[in-house]
Amino acid sequence: ETGVTQSPTHLIKTRGQQVTLRCSSQSGHNTVSWYQQALGQGPQFIFQYYREEENGRGNFPPRFSGLQFPNYSSELNVNALELDDSALYLCASSLGLDEQFFGPGTRLTVL
Amino acid sequence: QKEVEQDPGPLSVPEGAIVSLNCTYSNSAFQYFMWYRQYSRKGPELLMYTYSSGNKEDGRFTAQVDKSSKYISLFIRDSQPSDSATYLCAVLNTGGFKTIFGAGTRLFVKA
Repeated sequence: ETGVTQSPTHLIKTRGQQVTLRCSSQSGHNTVSWYQQALGQGPQFIFQYYREEENGRGNFPPRFSGLQFPNYSSELNVNALELDDSALYLCASSLGLDEQFFGPGTRLTVL
Repeated sequence: QKEVEQDPGPLSVPEGAIVSLNCTYSNSAFQYFMWYRQYSRKGPELLMYTYSSGNKEDGRFTAQVDKSSKYISLFIRDSQPSDSATYLCAVLNTGGFKTIFGAGTRLFVKA
């Protein structure tokens, strides 16, 4: 088991609502990345935070936003939920490529 | 054209077989190539990564990169039922912050 945890495990929301997903990184890891994984697909990069600053962003609209905190935790916020936002959301904490660990993910269902 | 293409399978082999998993990528500027394993209801786990062309071996696993043909491979020797999982190939973008995944290949190793 990795030292990366995510909460909640599952979540059901309705279209138009807002959601906050949380990730607790491995201690000492200064980088966290978030991914969206649709069923049967590979993870899609949403954004990365390095030392509490956004370090890069994928092709996701501004209603996807994030924060990273000094205590190695981070969160992903999604506003105005759409049906297509239903997916597994993964965070990965890292200290370089040699040390990268994914959390188990949060399964989001939008009805 | 997707940046990383991977046959989703499924691929079914008997125990002890040699497994060959393959991907192609589009951008010749990519330098880091990764393989992940993802079990059902878990986050991906980094198996190994390769810088530029060549081979890298780790136990029963060998990763191979051919930059001339933009082709990356993972070989699994003496496959075991516990190897049954989805295998994801990935590349690191030229900015070094975004991991671009293939769709993943589902592998079943039958006892």
